[in-house]
Amino acid sequence: GAGVSQSPSNKVTEKGKDVELRCDPISGHTALYWYRQSLGQGLEFLIYFQGNSAPDKSGLPSDRFSAERTGGSVSTLTIQRTQQEDSAVYLCASSLNTGQNTEAFFGQGTRLTVV
Amino acid sequence: AQSVTQLGSHVSVSEGALVLLRCNYSSSVPPYLFWYVQYPNQGLQLLLKYTTGATLVKGINGFEAEFKKSETSFHLTKPSAHMSDAAEYFCAVRNTGNQFYFGTGTSLTVIP
Repeated sequence: GAGVSQSPSNKVTEKGKDVELRCDPISGHTALYWYRQSLGQGLEFLIYFQGNSAPDKSGLPSDRFSAERTGGSVSTLTIQRTQQEDSAVYLCASSLNTGQNTEAFFGQGTRLTVV
Repeated sequence: AQSVTQLGSHVSVSEGALVLLRCNYSSSVPPYLFWYVQYPNQGLQLLLKYTTGATLVKGINGFEAEFKKSETSFHLTKPSAHMSDAAEYFCAVRNTGNQFYFGTGTSLTVIP
């Protein structure tokens, strides 16, 4: 596609359930980022994938959060045993990694509500 | 380490007035700086970026920003605010590891 695609756009889940959020980056973009945006807050870095390198997981808030990127393309962010504080908008972005001057392109986000 | 600070979480301007959104950065190396805009229920969209060269950068929708190394600033301006400019604005820096660091955002309200 022309841009970064995220699905679903909205997800309501019950506390304790697992959820999977999907991100399709722009074709050819080797870098992929996940961010979390809570109400009224800035962007909280979660995880960064770069090509075949080991991902930078330093932003994951707990071991309930994990992410994978298959074939260097699609990424899935999984949240296990969801808690109400996990409610937020989860944003995915991708970037060419040919240098620091290239920008990140964002998807529309997935709004997660844990009830 | 790289980081950005956005002064003022909320800014209100009258329609037609100057818009000034502040961003200061911290970087141990020459920074690559970005401004993004987020409209309600949407993702972030690039407004402009500074890499090297001219310190005054022009972006979309009439916005521009000036990189001032001596002040470690990259403030965003627009001469005349329009109602459609109401949105959340984020400043970001990209480090040598290609990681993006975002500020906490500034919400711009335009008063008719």
